[in-house]
Amino acid sequence: AQSVTQLDSHVSVSEGTPVLLRCNYSSSYSPSLFWYVQHPNKGLQLLLKYTSAATLVKGINGFEAEFKKSETSFHLTKPSAHMSDAAEYFCVVSRSSGNTPLVFGKGTRLSVIA
Amino acid sequence: DGGITQSPKYLFRKEGQNVTLSCEQNLNHDAMYWYRQDPGQGLRLIYYSQIVNDFQKGDIAEGYSVSREKKESFPLTVTSAQKNPTAFYLCASKGQGKKRLLEPQHFGDGTRLSIL
Repeated sequence: AQSVTQLDSHVSVSEGTPVLLRCNYSSSYSPSLFWYVQHPNKGLQLLLKYTSAATLVKGINGFEAEFKKSETSFHLTKPSAHMSDAAEYFCVVSRSSGNTPLVFGKGTRLSVIA
Repeated sequence: DGGITQSPKYLFRKEGQNVTLSCEQNLNHDAMYWYRQDPGQGLRLIYYSQIVNDFQKGDIAEGYSVSREKKESFPLTVTSAQKNPTAFYLCASKGQGKKRLLEPQHFGDGTRLSIL
């Protein structure tokens, strides 16, 4: 079975400083991993996805994530936070084989302080 | 532009009443999903459908029902049996072509259901 643990429920950073949102996963199979962002009262937007092609994945809005199999981690980073990055972020895992539904982490709320 | 449309954006339910949330997609996706979102709990899967006229229960299907009579539509009914229906409901869809394993899910903007 797959599971995802987002290690922080809330992260607060100052504008212009780096962002780190942590995610550990558990999967019996070779996983596909995703990060989604959700702004208030909106649906989820895909930031980036890992599907075994490259361990460092670049996404939209300057975000990137590194897949580390030995650490079962898929942390999301951004060099410099912007006010518009304030939102809820979800780490998500799915099986690479088959079309089973996704498994979501509980989310990390990112606050950006001016 | 292709996308997923959920309606209404806000919905109020009286005690003992069934309500239906609409989800329509024009992405030609085979698979569709319904999630429930509560604060601090992430998204939990209610039902999903991988093809027309077929659907499966997710983790929290009790008190909910769905139908999938058309490829583009996957309505969710919240029945009176669901005792705590107040939540944000999200619909998603996913393509199932050759690269389906790489495809992410696409989400609608959600419906917020409240009890009067």
